[in-house]
Amino acid sequence: GENVEQHPSTLSVQEGDSAVIKCTYSDSASNYFPWYKQELGKGPQLIIDIRSNVGEKKDQRIAVTLNKTAKHFSLHITETQPEDSAVYFCAALANNDMRFGAGTRLTVKP
Amino acid sequence: DAGVIQSPRHEVTEMGQEVTLRCKPISGHDYLFWYRQTMMRGLELLIYFNNNVPIDDSGMPEDRFSAKMPNASFSTLKIQPSEPRDSAVYFCASSLCRAETQYFGPGTRLLVL
Repeated sequence: GENVEQHPSTLSVQEGDSAVIKCTYSDSASNYFPWYKQELGKGPQLIIDIRSNVGEKKDQRIAVTLNKTAKHFSLHITETQPEDSAVYFCAALANNDMRFGAGTRLTVKP
Repeated sequence: DAGVIQSPRHEVTEMGQEVTLRCKPISGHDYLFWYRQTMMRGLELLIYFNNNVPIDDSGMPEDRFSAKMPNASFSTLKIQPSEPRDSAVYFCASSLCRAETQYFGPGTRLLVL
């Protein structure tokens, strides 16, 4: 089955800096890659997603890149703000099986 | 739409008691998922339904766990009897189809003493 690895597990950046979270997957059949943000006491919320026919997608300060050959995808947050502090999860869907990464705790220091 | 609704938000119970968690998916979504989240194991898929029918329950930890979906707008996850190791946050999520975005509810934080 699919196996998703996520790094780093924790990330601390200064406000205004960029943050990058990376994930790798094992199943070449994976074709959908969502990213979720989970704030304290809340459920994960989708922030951006990408499908296998696209290499990059951007939405304001967040962007996701996908390298199908290397089987990895990354989340990029630019001009980070304190409210970006949360746990971020990547996921990969292959053959109707969605697998989540272990999560990255991002802290943005004001 | 109000999003996925879960109840209760918090549950504290004693070992051996029955626990029932409830979920109302987003109207029109054909898929419903139950997840468990712990620090040690992260997000684990327990079971999912398609059009009210259980499709994959391979993630259900043991026979003490059961889930039902009597209609398109309601699902329950039951633990009987509960044990301290069941303490976790349980999330319900729904989606239009399997390969689309899953929308998560706020979760039920369960503590079994």
